[in-house]
Amino acid sequence: NAGVTQTPKFQVLKTGQSMTLQCAQDMNHEYMSWYRQDPGMGLRLIHYSVGAGITDQGEVPNGYNVSRSTTEDFPLRLLSAAPSQTSVYFCASSYLTGTAGYEQYFGPGTRLTVT
Amino acid sequence: AQSVTQLDSQVPVFEEAPVELRCNYSSSVSVYLFWYVQYPNQGLQLLLKYLSGSTLVKGINGFEAEFNKSQTSFPLRKPSVHIRDTAEYFCAGWGCFGSSNTGKLIFGQGTTLQVKP
Repeated sequence: NAGVTQTPKFQVLKTGQSMTLQCAQDMNHEYMSWYRQDPGMGLRLIHYSVGAGITDQGEVPNGYNVSRSTTEDFPLRLLSAAPSQTSVYFCASSYLTGTAGYEQYFGPGTRLTVT
Repeated sequence: AQSVTQLDSQVPVFEEAPVELRCNYSSSVSVYLFWYVQYPNQGLQLLLKYLSGSTLVKGINGFEAEFNKSQTSFPLRKPSVHIRDTAEYFCAGWGCFGSSNTGKLIFGQGTTLQVKP
């Protein structure tokens, strides 16, 4: 199993540009989520999904869109990049039941800089 | 409002001393609680978790945590720390926080543990 994969690892955008951060998992996890990590702020939940076709907003959803057309993929779209979106982005996934339920598997992260 | 709160942003401690990292959660429904560790320039690794059962949970690397429902707390403890424990530690809670009726995982702000020789 590859686990949770994220692409790209690094990205530099100009203000106003759009892009999609890719996330995929091969563990058949129902739950997938996106976090951003900023110094002193911990990990803040952007969007999450409890299954294909079901998404919901987290703590900081503004400026981001998601969709979940398959169990495996959960892309995060930045609609019009702003310097405030400079951050490290983590994708995570987990089961929703069982003894391993809710235990998150994290991707390696995407470091995004918006100039 | 923050649903998982870590009260200390930094905790300095000498090697071989005991340490406790504080974590409180706010929720009117049952939660599942986790501690994750992030070493410099690395991703997050699960230390331990509380889903149900015994309130004292043991994890990897000699860490343990105790779920206290009345105090809505889940402090992380280690009786004797090592230099290699220097890292950032995150408390996280799974629950239906706020107005949402869908479970989600919320993290605290993180605590940097600095172990000094």
